[in-house]
Amino acid sequence: QVQLQESGPGLVKPSETLSLTCTVSGGSFSRYYWSWIRQPPGKGLEWIGYIYSSGSTIYNPSLKSRVTISIDTSNNQFSLNLSSVTAADTAVYYCARVLAGTWADFDYWGQGTLVTVSS
Amino acid sequence: SSELTQDPAVSVALGQTVRITCQGDSLRRYYASWYQQKPGQAPILVIYDKNSRPSGIPDRFSGSSSGNTASLTITGAQAEDEADYYCNSRDSSGNHVIFGGGTKLTVL
Repeated sequence: QVQLQESGPGLVKPSETLSLTCTVSGGSFSRYYWSWIRQPPGKGLEWIGYIYSSGSTIYNPSLKSRVTISIDTSNNQFSLNLSSVTAADTAVYYCARVLAGTWADFDYWGQGTLVTVSS
Repeated sequence: SSELTQDPAVSVALGQTVRITCQGDSLRRYYASWYQQKPGQAPILVIYDKNSRPSGIPDRFSGSSSGNTASLTITGAQAEDEADYYCNSRDSSGNHVIFGGGTKLTVL
């Protein structure tokens, strides 16, 4: 059974960089797209971007200037960096796997981690 | 456009059938998938590839599509189906993922 687990600080100061890591266990890491998705409190889901196991990335155009997603295949991890954060970046951040052969079907999700942007 | 529109809230009587819709121009070209999210939990994929169900999803969940509208139908809604439902697909460029705003389903 594939499992994903997000980790990282729960509190980030405005203007600083939000950094999260997702650790994948229980399944193949290679030849999949891996993604970050967020959900502000009480609101809907927003796709942040994804990375292929080769390292190629695609980002949400609305966040592209601030987002970097990287991958560490030796440790079955991928990471999110979001720079210059504001209160609007306060959200539950999920990591997820893209179902093989598809572009937008997320078949496994982490439990999510709440990141609050506040001084 | 690169938006998916969902009704904010829908209700259904226990055991009845409910349809949740998702509208967007990109759905004329790309299929929608559907997720169920209960409070405090991560979303769960319930329909992908228009009308395929992942293992473990009851067959009362089905998907369909016509023109710019995709639908999730729950036939014989159960109390445990009360949740938020989100559609998603690709945007008009085909390169990015978009989500609908979500529909809160209440089972009466």
